[in-house]
Amino acid sequence: AAGVIQSPRHLIKEKRETATLKCYPIPRHDTVYWYQQGPGQDPQFLISFYEKMQSDKGSIPDRFSAQQFSDYHSELNMSSLELGDSALYFCASSSRTMNTEAFFGQGTRLTVV
Amino acid sequence: AQKITQTQPGMFVQEKEAVTLDCTYDTSDPSYGLFWYKQPSSGEMIFLIYQGSYDQQNATEGRYSLNFQKARKSANLVISASQLGDSAMYFCAMRGDMRFGAGTRLTVKP
Repeated sequence: AAGVIQSPRHLIKEKRETATLKCYPIPRHDTVYWYQQGPGQDPQFLISFYEKMQSDKGSIPDRFSAQQFSDYHSELNMSSLELGDSALYFCASSSRTMNTEAFFGQGTRLTVV
Repeated sequence: AQKITQTQPGMFVQEKEAVTLDCTYDTSDPSYGLFWYKQPSSGEMIFLIYQGSYDQQNATEGRYSLNFQKARKSANLVISASQLGDSAMYFCAMRGDMRFGAGTRLTVKP
């Protein structure tokens, strides 16, 4: 069965650079969530989309933005990267209409040097 | 607003014993659901079990079961017959906003 696909799996960037993380949800899932998980910490909710519209916003820095496209894939854009942005970034998708659990991608490990 | 609380940063259990991981929640929604996820050291998030607020019975999935006490707003995960491979972080989350609790690190001792 198709799962949530995140790319890239690993990314190394320098301070002040930009990064774009991509997420391809499970087909027919209408909701996408983004999380940031620092070392030894719980996943922090960043932002979510329902049917391509932003539905909820968490602790997403102003330097970050996200959107969901017509094909339902989502991108998290991160600018002016800081050392503290080094983390595992998860994307998850679910179907609100089918009331499913959230399925997680493998995550993108971002390292800012 | 919804809130999830996991008050056990770490738990230890002997192999083959049962263990209960606590999760309390707060919500004003009359209809809600709670998820438990496992995160092993490899990092992936693995769905374990789901409990809906209107479910008549406590959820069970193999060795995982939920001790759901609606009046106390708790949805504790019970793992029976612990195995070494159960050592991981365990997170509770609420359907809807999908915020996670702080997690509990479970260590299964041989």
